[in-house]
Amino acid sequence: GAVVSQHPSRVICKSGTSVKIECRSLDFQATTMFWYRQFPKKSLMLMATSNEGSKATYEQGVEKDKFLINHASLTLSTLTVTSAHPEDSSFYICSARDDRAHTEAFFGQGTRLTVV
Amino acid sequence: GQNIDQPTEMTATEGAIVQINCTYQTSGFNGLFWYQQHAGEAPTFLSYNVLDGLEEKGRFSSFLSRSKGYSYLLLKELQMKDSASYLCAVMDSNYQLIWGAGTKLIIKP
Repeated sequence: GAVVSQHPSRVICKSGTSVKIECRSLDFQATTMFWYRQFPKKSLMLMATSNEGSKATYEQGVEKDKFLINHASLTLSTLTVTSAHPEDSSFYICSARDDRAHTEAFFGQGTRLTVV
Repeated sequence: GQNIDQPTEMTATEGAIVQINCTYQTSGFNGLFWYQQHAGEAPTFLSYNVLDGLEEKGRFSSFLSRSKGYSYLLLKELQMKDSASYLCAVMDSNYQLIWGAGTKLIIKP
């Protein structure tokens, strides 16, 4: 299957700082990228959907100014958690899909964010 | 509202067969996915069903009945490495994925 690389896999940051997570599709063009958050023993919660070159569509309850998403190219999307707080600690996962070629979305490895 | 239901946890024995059920109620239907997720890792794609019937892929098979809003994932010849969570997801009319909470499968020797 297609490969999606997410970086970093783990990050620890101090409260009040910002953290950027990258999601790259390595061998296909991702027309759509999805960002999820997952709490322990819970299902995936969609945060936002982004299409290359346009603004992300955020799910209800997700703060746009706090979770900045950029999908500047067909192979890269970034999620920046701004002014992080301990409650932002979670597992963040991106997935990518080429709407023209694929039915399924392919997932990155996930990023474990811990805010101290 | 949209809803995906699957059992929270199941236990099975190594070498046996287990069936994980998923029922759904969504606004529109553009296919049903099964993903496997090991603890601390991202989900990996297992199967996709958009037409009624059984899709077989090695030890894993997935079944769909659109009229009943029902799917199952069948795992044969269970191995210890199959211990994971199995997520059912439905693509709705807007091509958004609606996720179930996942079924934690515990395999015992």
